[in-house]
Amino acid sequence: QQQVKQSPQSLIVQKGGISIINCAYENTAFDYFPWYQQFPGKGPALLIAIRPDVSEKKEGRFTISFNKSAKQFSLHIMDSQPGDSATYFCAASDGQNFVFGPGTRLSVLP
Amino acid sequence: EPEVTQTPSHQVTQMGQEVILRCVPISNHLYFYWYRQILGQKVEFLVSFYNNEISEKSEIFDDQFSVERPDGSNFTLKIRSTKLEDSAMYFCASSRRAGSYNEQFFGPGTRLTVL
Repeated sequence: QQQVKQSPQSLIVQKGGISIINCAYENTAFDYFPWYQQFPGKGPALLIAIRPDVSEKKEGRFTISFNKSAKQFSLHIMDSQPGDSATYFCAASDGQNFVFGPGTRLSVLP
Repeated sequence: EPEVTQTPSHQVTQMGQEVILRCVPISNHLYFYWYRQILGQKVEFLVSFYNNEISEKSEIFDDQFSVERPDGSNFTLKIRSTKLEDSAMYFCASSRRAGSYNEQFFGPGTRLTVL
């Protein structure tokens, strides 16, 4: 029940396209859903996060969509750029536990 | 901008040896964490630490592991007798508060290689 599922495992997008990564969870006690971006050789860095009292949060080209009833949330990267190429992890926290998804390797082609 | 730092960046050790991984969290943060990431796999929670004691730990964090805050700035992870399967990236993180919405800031990691 502590697991966070993430798909796809890898994603290739053309420059200017939209990248979409999906996550799903089971534990209804989770109430904080961050997305982390990780470049090779670096630690994960917080990209954007959402609380379950809103259905969408947008910061620049990055948008989280949240569906509480379906227990799903997704990251949308608009106008994807080669510099966005990285591994993206969704995560969920209930205040005690912090669980990461398995990650999505995004490659944005120039 | 304040950041979490970790040393060393890469540690190579023989199986059975003890290793200590060091972290300096962000100075006004009170909650500290260790995570592990085996190459190509997801980030896994090991332990959280607050007020000089462990708050939570995962099944991975067995008796071979220990954490310590020996002074006001360092936070260490000790692996007593390393195994081959301990080879991974180890990330330290810190946050100003616990609970939900606790943005955790990650360090750059220490790559541990056990031979």
